[in-house]
Amino acid sequence: GDSVTQMEGPVTLSEEAFLTINCTYTATGYPSLFWYVQYPGEGLQLLLKATKADDKGSNKGFEATYRKETTSFHLEKGSVQVSDSAVYFCALTRYPNAGGTSYGKLTFGQGTILTVHP
Amino acid sequence: GAVVSQHPSWVICKSGTSVKIECRSLDFQATTMFWYRQFPKQSLMLMATSNEGSKATYEQGVEKDKFLINHASLTLSTLTVTSAHPEDSSFYICSARTREGLRSYNEQFFGPGTRLTVL
Repeated sequence: GDSVTQMEGPVTLSEEAFLTINCTYTATGYPSLFWYVQYPGEGLQLLLKATKADDKGSNKGFEATYRKETTSFHLEKGSVQVSDSAVYFCALTRYPNAGGTSYGKLTFGQGTILTVHP
Repeated sequence: GAVVSQHPSWVICKSGTSVKIECRSLDFQATTMFWYRQFPKQSLMLMATSNEGSKATYEQGVEKDKFLINHASLTLSTLTVTSAHPEDSSFYICSARTREGLRSYNEQFFGPGTRLTVL
């Protein structure tokens, strides 16, 4: 079945440091890939997405490139801020063959806690 | 736009009672809603997929008689935890997917979650 593996956290950085959170996936076909962010006490928000190989998703200074050859979608940011402290989830969804029941299902990684200190 | 609300945001109940959680898409119609469960410091686990006007599809290992899902309209889905026990205590999150042709069809919008504590 589909699966997503994220680097284990927690990740602790100083403000303005470079961030990388690794994400690799296993799925048949051509999944869409997502990064979601969950701030303390809030629901998940879509951070960025990519729907086909070599696409780069970007938002709020975060970037991730869909690498089909390495089945990866690593999240990066050049200079993190304290306000970026949150839990980050990598996820995928794919369209099954006709008649499948998993249409639109999101498969999540385990989440990575990021803490940024001033 | 694309706001999903959940009610209540938190609930405490006695063991053996039933609790209903509502999930609403406030500014769009959602043909499909998803219910997830999140344990502390863990990922989201999909419990069931709810399509408007039809029975929910439950993931393997999720008891359909315990977690009753009703998707009565294009803007409302409910999750009822029946005969709740302490092990049902968790954070329950819903998401809604837009209808084809509107916004990003493949995107899910998440509610803020409901914290259930069963005493």
